[in-house]
Amino acid sequence: SQQGEEDPQALSIQEGENATMNCSYKTSINNLQWYRQNSGRGLVHLILIRSNEREKHSGRLRVTLDTSKKSSSLLITASRAADTASYFCATVRNSGNTPLVFGKGTRLSVIA
Amino acid sequence: GAVVSQHPSWVICKSGTSVKIECRSLDFQATTMFWYRQFPKQSLMLMATSNEGSKATYEQGVEKDKFLINHASLTLSTLTVTSAHPEDSSFYICSAQRRGGSYEQYFGPGTRLTVT
Repeated sequence: SQQGEEDPQALSIQEGENATMNCSYKTSINNLQWYRQNSGRGLVHLILIRSNEREKHSGRLRVTLDTSKKSSSLLITASRAADTASYFCATVRNSGNTPLVFGKGTRLSVIA
Repeated sequence: GAVVSQHPSWVICKSGTSVKIECRSLDFQATTMFWYRQFPKQSLMLMATSNEGSKATYEQGVEKDKFLINHASLTLSTLTVTSAHPEDSSFYICSAQRRGGSYEQYFGPGTRLTVT
């Protein structure tokens, strides 16, 4: 079963603008991860944020986590056409060898 | 490091035949591998968890007799789709969790299965 929802389902922006995607989940988690998927390809891990962290940065990416609201956001700054892809959040409920539970994803289109 | 491969990358088969998909961790040992299925424009749905040397754990609604999983070594897990039907056409993705490592999962590039 899927953990939650991404919002929006689809997002279209101009190159250079910032893109914000939100993710909500339903259960308590150990960590939350964001992945990127180009059409018909595998997943690329972007960033992991643990349940005791509130914000994390990696290059042009900024992720926030609000465990009280069971939500996370992914901000891509100064977007590029190459950022066009689907973005998924995924949660890990417990420590150890537990699977990722994926949200429905946001399809981002960056127009040059 | 942490490269996961899948073979084949795409396969077309006739209805009623069986197809085997391999998932290999190339430069690390993976005690656990996961198999996901993704239909067009949808998210990944977990099918099963595969632990080396033991039986796979299947998610509710996934037929274990139809989707046979074998995790024979610390670097290889296989998914066999038996008696494939057109509705089994999908993108199958595996991921591997490094033995003794962090929570990060490393994904294979996926296998596109088309059943005619």
